[in-house]
Amino acid sequence: AQKITQTQPGMFVQEKEAVTLDCTYDTSDPSYGLFWYKQPSSGEMIFLIYQGSYDQQNATEGRYSLNFQKARKSANLVISASQLGDSAMYFCAMRGGGSGGGADGLTFGKGTHLIIQP
Amino acid sequence: KAGVTQTPRYLIKTRGQQVTLSCSPISGHRSVSWYQQTPGQGLQFLFEYFSETQRNKGNFPGRFSGRQFSNSRSEMNVSTLELGDSALYLCASSLLMGQGGYNEQFFGPGTRLTVL
Repeated sequence: AQKITQTQPGMFVQEKEAVTLDCTYDTSDPSYGLFWYKQPSSGEMIFLIYQGSYDQQNATEGRYSLNFQKARKSANLVISASQLGDSAMYFCAMRGGGSGGGADGLTFGKGTHLIIQP
Repeated sequence: KAGVTQTPRYLIKTRGQQVTLSCSPISGHRSVSWYQQTPGQGLQFLFEYFSETQRNKGNFPGRFSGRQFSNSRSEMNVSTLELGDSALYLCASSLLMGQGGYNEQFFGPGTRLTVL
């Protein structure tokens, strides 16, 4: 079974500061993908960044980067130069190869509620 | 390019009723997944459809079912509604069925179901 743990229920950060959102995972699949999604109060899930288990380099997408430490089963999201519009729920998720030969859906963590203060 | 659309956006039902939610994926996407989001359980995978066939299913009772049409549009049905079924139901579409690794899923705005 796959599991995602996000230990920070909420965070307050000053605008323009960098933010690190923690995510640890557990899986027995040798091949898997790690995702981060942003969910504003409107409810829609917005894809931010992806990291594959065999990727050698940490993923980056604009102001988002993923600090991937495979041995520690950690996939922290780093947001540089935070903005007021970054205030939202952030979810870490993973998808593996599936124990039955097929694929499973995304497994999500409980999320971190990030609030950017001016 | 239009995104994932879900209808209706809001729904109020009473216990014992049934409900059908609809999802139209991004044009060209053949895989549709459904998720339930509640404050207590968080986001949980319901099922995934690809080419009109259910390929994967999460740990939900048989009251939850779905189907996919030839145009990739999908519906999910919940019969004999319970209070605990109150949730945000999210639909996501992707080009291919997930097989581990990268398969970006684009989410719709969700349908908020309230069961009274």
